[in-house]
Amino acid sequence: AQRVTQPEKLLSVFKGAPVELKCNYSYSGSPELFWYVQYSRQRLQLLLRHISRESIKGFTADLNKGETSFHLKKPFAQEEDSAMYYCALVMNRDDKIIFGKGTRLHILP
Amino acid sequence: ETGVTQSPTHLIKTRGQQVTLRCSSQSGHNTVSWYQQALGQGPQFIFQYYREEENGRGNFPPRFSGLQFPNYSSELNVNALELDDSALYLCASSPPGQASLEAFFGQGTRLTVV
Repeated sequence: AQRVTQPEKLLSVFKGAPVELKCNYSYSGSPELFWYVQYSRQRLQLLLRHISRESIKGFTADLNKGETSFHLKKPFAQEEDSAMYYCALVMNRDDKIIFGKGTRLHILP
Repeated sequence: ETGVTQSPTHLIKTRGQQVTLRCSSQSGHNTVSWYQQALGQGPQFIFQYYREEENGRGNFPPRFSGLQFPNYSSELNVNALELDDSALYLCASSPPGQASLEAFFGQGTRLTVV
């Protein structure tokens, strides 16, 4: 079955340090991968998607099909990055979004 | 342009009761999906509606049902509520042709079943 795994429930990182949120998926086809973010008291929103190959708020994510991973990275953490991050997979555009359980990122001052 | 809005924001129901949750999709969006997010979990897909028809369903029992109206707003109905139905229910709308590739979420309805 298709699955998204985020091994860390909580990740605490000092301000200015690099951030890496891990995400692995299981799917035999070619999925679309996403990162969603939920800031405190705000709605779930799309952060970035691999097909766009973009950098949003300094975050990037590279799809590694060999390792079936889509880790989220940022070279220098900022306090406003503290939030809940969800890795997600879509098999085709009309299908459901499969979410991981999420990682809470806590940026320490 | 208004975003996705859900009502009510919070709700408390008794086991065995029925509940209806509502969602207004973002302007121009014709696809609506519903997700259940239990505490400490990621959102789980319940079903999707496109042009007033169910267009995909997750692993939820038939007592979870939905509707989509001509203006693309949607309702989620849950019958015979169980304690495990307590969760945050999220609605997401998508523009034509994009569906799950570009989903915009509402703020959610927090349902507590006692």
